[in-house]
Amino acid sequence: QQPVQSPQAVILREGEDAVINCSSSKALYSVHWYRQKHGEAPVFLMILLKGGEQKGHEKISASFNEKKQQSSLYLTASQLSYSGTYFCGTEMTYNSGAGSYQLTFGKGTKLSVIP
Amino acid sequence: SQTIHQWPATLVQPVGSPLSLECTVEGTSNPNLYWYRQAAGRGLQLLFYSVGIGQISSEVPQNLSASRPQDRQFILSSKKLLLSDSGFYLCAWSVHRVPFNSPLHFGNGTRLTVT
Repeated sequence: QQPVQSPQAVILREGEDAVINCSSSKALYSVHWYRQKHGEAPVFLMILLKGGEQKGHEKISASFNEKKQQSSLYLTASQLSYSGTYFCGTEMTYNSGAGSYQLTFGKGTKLSVIP
Repeated sequence: SQTIHQWPATLVQPVGSPLSLECTVEGTSNPNLYWYRQAAGRGLQLLFYSVGIGQISSEVPQNLSASRPQDRQFILSSKKLLLSDSGFYLCAWSVHRVPFNSPLHFGNGTRLTVT
């Protein structure tokens, strides 16, 4: 089941903040976030595990609300280098409570940071 | 350190011709291996994944196939390409772990154009 990302695209000026959301209709074990520059391979940003944790990497952080089956990526004081397409990947939880071997990615959110 | 090699980087093939894309991982053993496809402006679609030699799981019915003849080698093939097979093909690996809560490491991708 493909997660739904919103917004599809966003344009920011340097220094502005943005939030990208990822939601699933299935119970999730983990949520991954990746960034892809045009013509390049996706690069891993962070993983969030069920339990409602929040992680951060410099000015990029994320939260995972297991009950709502949602994750949000927060980009603060955006820089030109933040431009790219952001993908969330979700790992579902089986009835046994175990996770799966695979990620299903959303369609991506294109972020453009302009001077 | 672990590295992933994927080749060729670009490929132009006529409709009906065969396809073979190769991916190898170095510096780790028994990785999970994945083939993803990304159509222009679209998200990442999981095509195949493998948790061990000779073990292939297909996520999407299609005219593509995958094989894992060696622990760190993953091959994507087709006997007859279709126009709809055009896209950006990405090989990825992750640590073999249950649940799957380790990052995906992507190769640089192969841009395939079927004419």
